[in-house]
Amino acid sequence: EPEVTQTPSHQVTQMGQEVILRCVPISNHLYFYWYRQILGQKVEFLVSFYNNEISEKSEIFDDQFSVERPDGSNFTLKIRSTKLEDSAMYFCASSPTGTGNDGYTFGSGTRLTVV
Amino acid sequence: LAKTTQPISMDSYEGQEVNITCSHNNIATNDYITWYQQFPSQGPRFIIQGYKTKVTNEVASLFIPADRKSSTLSLPRVSLSDTAVYYCLVGDGRYSSASKIIFGSGTRLSIRP
Repeated sequence: EPEVTQTPSHQVTQMGQEVILRCVPISNHLYFYWYRQILGQKVEFLVSFYNNEISEKSEIFDDQFSVERPDGSNFTLKIRSTKLEDSAMYFCASSPTGTGNDGYTFGSGTRLTVV
Repeated sequence: LAKTTQPISMDSYEGQEVNITCSHNNIATNDYITWYQQFPSQGPRFIIQGYKTKVTNEVASLFIPADRKSSTLSLPRVSLSDTAVYYCLVGDGRYSSASKIIFGSGTRLSIRP
């Protein structure tokens, strides 16, 4: 079964540092997403991406965040200057059509710890 | 997106059938009902989706009454490995762009030996 792959699985960074979280979506999928989940809380939407541009973003996704699809296979989330409150699990997801009919495939996540 | 209400938690025992009901009184004509499962420290996993009546796959069944204001996820003969959080989502299955899905708090299902 095709998978969404995320690296690294764990990342510890110092406050103020930049981090890049990487995702390899399923190869024939066209729609990509980032979500995050703070420990013990809901899975929260960050951003959706299609046709090399952001389709929608949440209030969480401020100027400190950016996404990129640099080479046609990877999909990255960059946090420019991390804060303690950015500590969370970050999940990448992809979908073939962007409709609910197909379901969204999520990766196993990157656990980001900001110290 | 229609608001959904589901129990915060449920407990059951191995071998039992578990039914988790979700209320979605404001469901729109175009909305589909989708269930996801999330194990600790893992991403959500699509389980099943339906529009009306009954849908069954190798994992679960989804029962949707005629008024579609609720739905029931049925897990047959659960095992310890079914312990997870289950999310009910309602939304338009015919998005024209990369629309998001919004997760609620879900139902935390605990299976005991």
